[in-house]
Amino acid sequence: DAGVIQSPRHEVTEMGQEVTLRCKPISGHNSLFWYRQTMMRGLELLIYFNNNVPIDDSGMPEDRFSAKMPNASFSTLKIQPSEPRDSAVYFCASSLGTFLGIQYFGAGTRLSVL
Amino acid sequence: SQQGEEDPQALSIQEGENATMNCSYKTSINNLQWYRQNSGRGLVHLILIRSNEREKHSGRLRVTLDTSKKSSSLLITASRAADTASYFCATGANQGAQKLVFGQGTRLTINP
Repeated sequence: DAGVIQSPRHEVTEMGQEVTLRCKPISGHNSLFWYRQTMMRGLELLIYFNNNVPIDDSGMPEDRFSAKMPNASFSTLKIQPSEPRDSAVYFCASSLGTFLGIQYFGAGTRLSVL
Repeated sequence: SQQGEEDPQALSIQEGENATMNCSYKTSINNLQWYRQNSGRGLVHLILIRSNEREKHSGRLRVTLDTSKKSSSLLITASRAADTASYFCATGANQGAQKLVFGQGTRLTINP
C-alpha cells in the first residue's frame, strides 16, 4: 500500500490567493483527518470525516478554511483567501474503524504564504 | 483540556543510553498512543496502550500507563542515532469529543 498521499509537498503563494491541498487516504480506511502543525501551536486537528461525512470541524480556524471529501479516496482542504499566518505544515491522516484508533499520516504539505 | 503534555521538551543523550519521555493528561482516556516524527516527515505510530493495560513492549520500546496518575512513559532502550526524532503522545478520551489530541512533543537527539 502506498500510504496516505498528499499533494503538493510544498506550496508557496502570495497573500490573498486560493490554496488547495489534496489528500488520498489509505484504501479501505473510513476516517480522514486534517491537521495543521506549527512551532507555536503544535499539531492541531482541523476537521475529521467518517465515511465521507464531516463529523467535527470545530478546529477549523475561520471561514476562510473549508474541507470536502467527495468520495472515499479523495479529500481537499481549501484556504481562500490565504494569509501569512496560515503558513504551516498541513497533514492528512486516515484510520480504519473508530476515531480513536491508529492514524496513518501523509508526508504533509508545507505551505508558505508570502 | 484533554491534551497530553510531554516532558521533557527536549532530551539529548549518547548513543547506547536509554531515553525516557513522559506524558501527562487531564481527563479519563480510552487509550493513549505514542507517535514518532522525523524531521520533515509525517507522524508514525509506535504503540497504542489501552486504559486497562499497564505496560506494553515493542522491540526496544516500552510504554507504561498509570491511569491513577494520568501519566504515561515511553522508554527507548539502547538508543541509536536513527532514533533522533520528535515523540508525541496522543490521548483518546472515553467521553465527550471522540478524537485524538496530541501533545507538544519531546525532541530527542541521540549523539553518536
